[in-house]
Amino acid sequence: TQLLEQSPQFLSIQEGENLTVYCNSSSVFSSLQWYRQEPGEGPVLLVTVVTGGEVKKLKRLTFQFGDARKDSSLHITAAQPGDTGLYLCAEFSGGSQGNLIFGKGTKLSVKP
Amino acid sequence: DSGVTQTPKHLITATGQRVTLRCSPRSGDLSVYWYQQSLDQGLQFLIQYYNGEERAKGNILERFSAQQFPDLHSELNLSSLELGDSALYFCASSVGGRSYEQYFGPGTRLTVT
Repeated sequence: TQLLEQSPQFLSIQEGENLTVYCNSSSVFSSLQWYRQEPGEGPVLLVTVVTGGEVKKLKRLTFQFGDARKDSSLHITAAQPGDTGLYLCAEFSGGSQGNLIFGKGTKLSVKP
Repeated sequence: DSGVTQTPKHLITATGQRVTLRCSPRSGDLSVYWYQQSLDQGLQFLIQYYNGEERAKGNILERFSAQQFPDLHSELNLSSLELGDSALYFCASSVGGRSYEQYFGPGTRLTVT
């Protein structure tokens, strides 16, 4: 079973700062997804990356997929309090199953 | 709003009891997934149904069971509840049986006292 390691576990920053969070695995990802979960809500899909070296941007969020497809990063520019939440990476379990395997997440707090 | 609905939002019950959690997937989605989220374990996959049939099983306890009905809504039944079953239970749905995009409901917070 693939294990996804996310770092850091917690991150507390001031509004306007930049940050990067990471997702790593010892195995190759077939694809990788990033979700954001706000307190009391379900995870919301932000992006899916499939190709090694792929970079995707979503407003102030930049997602990178490592060339070897074993790691991914999420960079937030000029963080805002609305970015506060739990950031989760996830990958398919494999085979014919459709479920996702999640990392434990990075809990981000952006203070005004 | 993901289009996935879950009821109830909160549930408080005693050890040994049985509860049923309900999920309605997005319109047109055939797959329903159940996940459990606890502080120490994170989000863990329990079970998947696709068009009424069980498709995949994860770390689901024998005390737990689920089903998907002809109208595609799903129910997760938890019985002989223990304190350790206290968690957030999420339902997600997707169009196919193995889809990149899964849409999560708002969850049911279960507290066992």
